[in-house]
Amino acid sequence: GAVVSQHPSWVICKSGTSVKIECRSLDFQATTMFWYRQFPKQSLMLMATSNEGSKATYEQGVEKDKFLINHASLTLSTLTVTSAHPEDSSFYICSASGLADTYEQYFGPGTRLTVT
Amino acid sequence: KNQVEQSPQSLIILEGKNCTLQCNYTVSPFSNLRWYKQDTGRGPVSLTIMTFSENTKSNGRYTATLDADTKQSSLHITASQLSDSASYICVVSGKAGTALIFGKGTTLSVSS
Repeated sequence: GAVVSQHPSWVICKSGTSVKIECRSLDFQATTMFWYRQFPKQSLMLMATSNEGSKATYEQGVEKDKFLINHASLTLSTLTVTSAHPEDSSFYICSASGLADTYEQYFGPGTRLTVT
Repeated sequence: KNQVEQSPQSLIILEGKNCTLQCNYTVSPFSNLRWYKQDTGRGPVSLTIMTFSENTKSNGRYTATLDADTKQSSLHITASQLSDSASYICVVSGKAGTALIFGKGTTLSVSS
């Protein structure tokens, strides 16, 4: 149980375009979802936290107008990278929590974004 | 400042050997400590999670220890396999519902 999926797993886009990444909790209701970014050989960096039905809370230095997060249901959150630039190329990972009596965050498999 | 430091940064061992990875943290208040395994190009997978009152927890060949007094944790891998090659990340939660604090990970390479 507690499976989190992401789609797509890999995407290449041209500079200036927008890309949407989906994060789904497949077998539980995720009251909270987290979006992370990871550069090569670096640890995960939290970008934002989203609660279902509420606006996301962004970490310092993360542009909320560039990284649009929607958490419209208890099983789906989306991250849209708007007007992507090559420096946005990274590995984006979501995690979800919400199971009763657990501190656990369950991570998705990640999405590799390459902006050309 | 809340920090999680891991050592060594990287480690190479022969298949079948044991190894121990270290994690020191300065997070306060402390809620729980987790160890994750992250394969290259994949999301982290939970190995163990320990709260303040737990000293050790095992998951197959993985055994984690926690000393909340000295704020240290270790992850011991027994009889390593080639598939153990990955990054092992120590993560600390300050309190329930707050952001996780990630260590930079230890990259383990198991060779035959």
